[in-house]
Amino acid sequence: AQTVTQSQPEMSVQEAETVTLSCTYDTSENNYYLFWYKQPPSRQMILVIRQEAYKQQNATENRFSVNFQKAAKSFSLKISDSQLGDTAMYFCAFTPRGNNRKLIWGLGTSLAVNP
Amino acid sequence: DSGVTQTPKHLITATGQRVTLRCSPRSGDLSVYWYQQSLDQGLQFLIQYYNGEERAKGNILERFSAQQFPDLHSELNLSSLELGDSALYFCASSEGGWDSGKETQYFGPGTRLLVL
Repeated sequence: AQTVTQSQPEMSVQEAETVTLSCTYDTSENNYYLFWYKQPPSRQMILVIRQEAYKQQNATENRFSVNFQKAAKSFSLKISDSQLGDTAMYFCAFTPRGNNRKLIWGLGTSLAVNP
Repeated sequence: DSGVTQTPKHLITATGQRVTLRCSPRSGDLSVYWYQQSLDQGLQFLIQYYNGEERAKGNILERFSAQQFPDLHSELNLSSLELGDSALYFCASSEGGWDSGKETQYFGPGTRLLVL
């Protein structure tokens, strides 16, 4: 079965500091995409960053970067210079190649950025 | 703003009733996905359509059905509603291909359904 595990239900960080959210996944697929989505209190689901499994280079989007370890099936998200607006639930997800492009989700990590 | 629109934003109804949720994908996107987010089940994939045809089914109840119309908007119909159907229902869209970037799903604001 294809699963996504986020082992940290809750985390907190001080404003301007760096925090890393963990994600591991299980799949027998060799080609897939990985994502981090953010869900703030408004409940909107916002794409943070995406990673293509066949690319070894880690994706970066401004203050957000990932550490993708394909062999370990690990996909962690690093948030640098944390801001109050980063307070949200963060979901890790992946979609395997194939006709069924559904996203398979972790249960989320609730991140609080403290002033 | 993702470009995906969903209506209505909120819906309050009674058990046994039927409701229809509507989704308009981003311009140019051919794939539409429906997800249910509830407190106890997390995010669950319901169904996917690609250019009017059903592409994949997930944990969608028989009381639920969906379709994608020629103009690519989609509707999710929920019938014989139960208390447990109360949830946030998301629609997402993507271009539908596998080329880099085309597989990324962009989400609408969701419809909050409360069944009393």
